[in-house]
Amino acid sequence: GAVVSQHPSRVICKSGTSVKIECRSLDFQATTMFWYRQFPKQSLMLMATSNEGSKATYEQGVEKDKFLINHASLTLSTLTVTSAHPEDSSFYICSASGLATGHEQFFGPGTRLTVL
Amino acid sequence: GENVEQHPSTLSVQEGDSAVIKCTYSDSASNYFPWYKQELGKRPQLIIDIRSNVGEKKDQRIAVTLNKTAKHFSLHITETQPEDSAVYFCAASRGGNEKLTFGTGTRLTIIP
Repeated sequence: GAVVSQHPSRVICKSGTSVKIECRSLDFQATTMFWYRQFPKQSLMLMATSNEGSKATYEQGVEKDKFLINHASLTLSTLTVTSAHPEDSSFYICSASGLATGHEQFFGPGTRLTVL
Repeated sequence: GENVEQHPSTLSVQEGDSAVIKCTYSDSASNYFPWYKQELGKRPQLIIDIRSNVGEKKDQRIAVTLNKTAKHFSLHITETQPEDSAVYFCAASRGGNEKLTFGTGTRLTIIP
């Protein structure tokens, strides 16, 4: 199957700082990438949908100025959590899909963010 | 938008018995229904999916059924094994590059 990587796998930061998470499709071109957030013992909640070369579409209730998404190439999307606060601590997972995957979403391994 | 409900939230079955997890969805335009298995701290793994042009699909011990009229679909795991213990999520989508809406998850525990 297609391979999606995420970096970093874990990050701890101080309140008020910004954190950037990268999502890469390693062996296919991802026309669409999705960013999810998962709190402990809860489901995956979609934050935004990102199409290469265009602005991301954010889900209701997700602040686009706080969660900056860039999808500048067909293999890379980034999520920047700006001015992070403890309530932003969560598991962030990306997924990617494209023609080569038959539009099936392949998930990255996730990034555990802890804001102190 | 789409709303996916999933039941039960927790399920314990004896090893060797069957497990059934049920989901309902609200968007009649949804036509793609995947099931994911997620182990603690790991990414969701697709275990089986079904599209609206079929009513049932089977892959070894795992099967999924879909009732489009009633807008519900179910996951069936037979001859359960300890390694089946995990959290299972159903999801629904309109297909293509459309977003997935996930159910709330079922924590399945297989009792040896």
